[in-house]
Amino acid sequence: EADIYQTPRYLVIGTGKKITLECSQTMGHDKMYWYQQDPGMELHLIHYSYGVNSTEKGDLSSESTVSRIRTEHFPLTLESARPSHTSQYLCASSEVQSMNTEAFFGQGTRLTVV
Amino acid sequence: KNQVEQSPQSLIILEGKNCTLQCNYTVSPFSNLRWYKQDTGRGPVSLTIMTFSENTKSNGRYTATLDADTKQSSLHITASQLSDSASYICVVSAVSGGGADGLTFGKGTHLIIQP
Repeated sequence: EADIYQTPRYLVIGTGKKITLECSQTMGHDKMYWYQQDPGMELHLIHYSYGVNSTEKGDLSSESTVSRIRTEHFPLTLESARPSHTSQYLCASSEVQSMNTEAFFGQGTRLTVV
Repeated sequence: KNQVEQSPQSLIILEGKNCTLQCNYTVSPFSNLRWYKQDTGRGPVSLTIMTFSENTKSNGRYTATLDADTKQSSLHITASQLSDSASYICVVSAVSGGGADGLTFGKGTHLIIQP
């Protein structure tokens, strides 16, 4: 089983609140990712990081921000939550890419903004 | 544009039956193809990963095939069990000099196993 953890698992929050979704991995992976997934839809990459102090935006535009101060930690922050942010957020990590590199996913955070 | 198409979108079969899920891709240059299983409300878990030189790979009752010439893959599930009910996602990786490893996700096939 993968050693990558996300908290909280579920979050219901009011519009305008600031929230931080936590993601930690104990595998020493340099690469970490955040994906957004609506019910029944595919995963969309919103942020990724190659290592400490490296952050990049993904294919899907997002109002969230991320930071990578430590290798094992990759939190995602929404400064002012809106109902349009309601979705499932999945964190993943992987080693430096080789032919058989695999991404390991966390359990996800299901966010509902009311 | 890199794309991954999966079929069928959803599938219902009886427990104990076999089924095959399809994945067609237009990702280039191809690096590898993975099948993930995603239980409802959980993160995806890897089932198999194949490079262009591999034609078939098994993981218990799951067998994946890859035809790099036609850019098609299939996932065959043998003797299905209730616990197989999940979404199965095909993910194709492109060789990339930068970016998030060039991963392209399919929308998944939602599989329901009925007793």
